[in-house]
Amino acid sequence: TQLLEQSPQFLSIQEGENLTVYCNSSSVFSSLQWYRQEPGEGPVLLVTVVTGGEVKKLKRLTFQFGDARKDSSLHITAAQPGDTGLYLCAGERGSQGNLIFGKGTKLSVKP
Amino acid sequence: DAGVIQSPRHEVTEMGQEVTLRCKPISGHNSLFWYRQTMMRGLELLIYFNNNVPIDDSGMPEDRFSAKMPNASFSTLKIQPSEPRDSAVYFCASSFSTGNYGYTFGSGTRLTVV
Repeated sequence: TQLLEQSPQFLSIQEGENLTVYCNSSSVFSSLQWYRQEPGEGPVLLVTVVTGGEVKKLKRLTFQFGDARKDSSLHITAAQPGDTGLYLCAGERGSQGNLIFGKGTKLSVKP
Repeated sequence: DAGVIQSPRHEVTEMGQEVTLRCKPISGHNSLFWYRQTMMRGLELLIYFNNNVPIDDSGMPEDRFSAKMPNASFSTLKIQPSEPRDSAVYFCASSFSTGNYGYTFGSGTRLTVV
């Protein structure tokens, strides 16, 4: 059983479209992080959300942490080909810094 | 800082051989993590260290896998004997153990066991 479920698994869209990807769990997390991974490289941290209901914006990316700290969403406005990659959410339980990763959403943005 | 450095980038070995993967974390980070990534299972935590001490190795698949961190700037993950099902990309990551700073990942080692 996957602790963190991400949806959709795959997403292929045209440049300029908006999209939302989701990260859901039945467990409560002390924080949740989003990473983007490009082929042949390791994941790169985009954002950390800590407070239930928190919303963070990073240019065209908007991240939200659910009120109950069990789920999160990533919304991209006016997607660009440079947004292409694997988007991973990761939840932290407790204070040890041990992250559990979802399987990711593979996004392809076509010009 | 050059980031987390892993070597080798690619490794092809025959079944039964010993494989050693290496990692140099970011200077000052006191937590180090070894992950394995496959299409089927995604990123799985194998083991992590705090201040060079192994904290949780419950993700290590079996006794064929072992990891060491002899000092704050170096860690190894060893597989002996290797098997085809060990083929995957192995990532090392480091972080501060407190605060929400996130992990910094290396570029990974792609292991193929034939």
